[in-house]
Amino acid sequence: GENVEQHPSTLSVQEGDSAVIKCTYSDSASNYFPWYKQELGKRPQLIIDIRSNVGEKKDQRIAVTLNKTAKHFSLHITETQPEDSAVYFCAASRGGNEKLTFGTGTRLTIIP
Amino acid sequence: GAVVSQHPSRVICKSGTSVKIECRSLDFQATTMFWYRQFPKKSLMLMATSNEGSKATYEQGVEKDKFLINHASLTLSTLTVTSAHPEDSSFYICSATGGTGSGTEAFFGQGTRLTVV
Repeated sequence: GENVEQHPSTLSVQEGDSAVIKCTYSDSASNYFPWYKQELGKRPQLIIDIRSNVGEKKDQRIAVTLNKTAKHFSLHITETQPEDSAVYFCAASRGGNEKLTFGTGTRLTIIP
Repeated sequence: GAVVSQHPSRVICKSGTSVKIECRSLDFQATTMFWYRQFPKKSLMLMATSNEGSKATYEQGVEKDKFLINHASLTLSTLTVTSAHPEDSSFYICSATGGTGSGTEAFFGQGTRLTVV
């Protein structure tokens, strides 16, 4: 089955700086890669996703890059703000109604 | 986006009793629903996948007789934790797909914090 690894497990950055979280996956058939933000005790919220037919996607301060050959994808947050502090999870699936396999999570702390 | 509602948000039960958690898709028909368990400061671990009208598919190591899943309609799936014990205390969360044309995006319920005393 799919295995998704995520690094780093914790990340602290100064407000205004950029944050990068990286994930690798093992299943070459995976073609859908979402990123979720989860605040304490709350549900995961989709912040951006990418499908395998593109290499990069951007939405304001958030971007995701995908390298299918190397089987890795990354989340980039620019101009970080205190409200970006949360746990971020990457995930991978084969698309459609297939299950998501989650990474282990990254606790991001933005230092004011 | 599509809305998934999970109920209850918190429940405390006595050891040995059963607890039912409901997951509803409010504005779309969920062809597939997923149940996850999340321990403190850990990732979401998939417990089972359920499709409307068919038996759930459980992940390895998950006891199907202990965690009963019913997906009787396209808008409702339930998870029943039978004969609960303190080690079953956890955050349980459901998700549903089918709210978008591709069926790929997963929408999460708000989660249920179960405490077994």
